[in-house]
Amino acid sequence: RKEVEQDPGPFNVPEGATVAFNCTYSNSASQSFFWYRQDCRKEPKLLMSVYSSGNEDGRFTAQLNRASQYISLLIRDSKLSDSATYLCAVNNLNNNDMRFGAGTRLTVKP
Amino acid sequence: DTAVSQTPKYLVTQMGNDKSIKCEQNLGHDTMYWYKQDSKKFLKIMFSYNNKELIINETVPNRFSPKSPDKAHLNLHINSLELGDSAVYFCASSHSASALRYGEAFFGQGTRLTVV
Repeated sequence: RKEVEQDPGPFNVPEGATVAFNCTYSNSASQSFFWYRQDCRKEPKLLMSVYSSGNEDGRFTAQLNRASQYISLLIRDSKLSDSATYLCAVNNLNNNDMRFGAGTRLTVKP
Repeated sequence: DTAVSQTPKYLVTQMGNDKSIKCEQNLGHDTMYWYKQDSKKFLKIMFSYNNKELIINETVPNRFSPKSPDKAHLNLHINSLELGDSAVYFCASSHSASALRYGEAFFGQGTRLTVV
C-alpha cells in the first residue's frame, strides 16, 4: 500500500462546478498536511495547509480527518485557471519525512 | 530573490556518465529534500537532510550520493547514469519540527534529466 493515496483522475469539469479531491495516508504519525498545486512542467507549489479544524481560503476548503487518516480538498466555482494537478502531502515532522500522493489531475472546461 | 534554486534546469547526458545537480535555499530552513518525478508524475522522496545530517534514504541506488556542505545546500551526484534515471529531480526545503512552523516544503524549479 502506498503511504499517500489519491484518485489520479482525471477530473474534467465545467467552469463553475464544485469538485472534491480525496486523499488517504497510512502513517498515523503524520503531523502536518498540505495540498499542493502543480502546473505542467512546473514545480509543486503550496496551495494550502490543512488544519485539524478544517480551513478555507476563498473558493478552497480543506478538511482533515485524523481518525480515518483522510484529507480532502473542495474547490467551489471552478475557474479555467484551476486546471492543474493537485497533490496531497503529509509530513512526519519527527523525521522530516514529507510524502506526496500521486496527484489528481483537474481540467476545467469552458 | 529565488527561494530554492537548483542548477542546471536541463541536463542531457549519455548513459554511463557521472553528473551533479546543485541546490541552494535562502529561506533559513534546516531541512532539505531530493525528490524524483518520473514520467507518470509520481513525486517520490529520495533523501532528506536535517542540519546537514542524512535522515531519510529511501532505497535509492547507491549510484546516487547526496552531499550537504551546509544546511543551505544539498547537492546530488549521480554515477554511471542509466536510462531509467531520466526524470525531473526536485529539490525542496522546509523547517523541521517547530512550534512556529508547520513544515511546508518549498520546491526548486526542477532539473529535467534525460539520459540517452
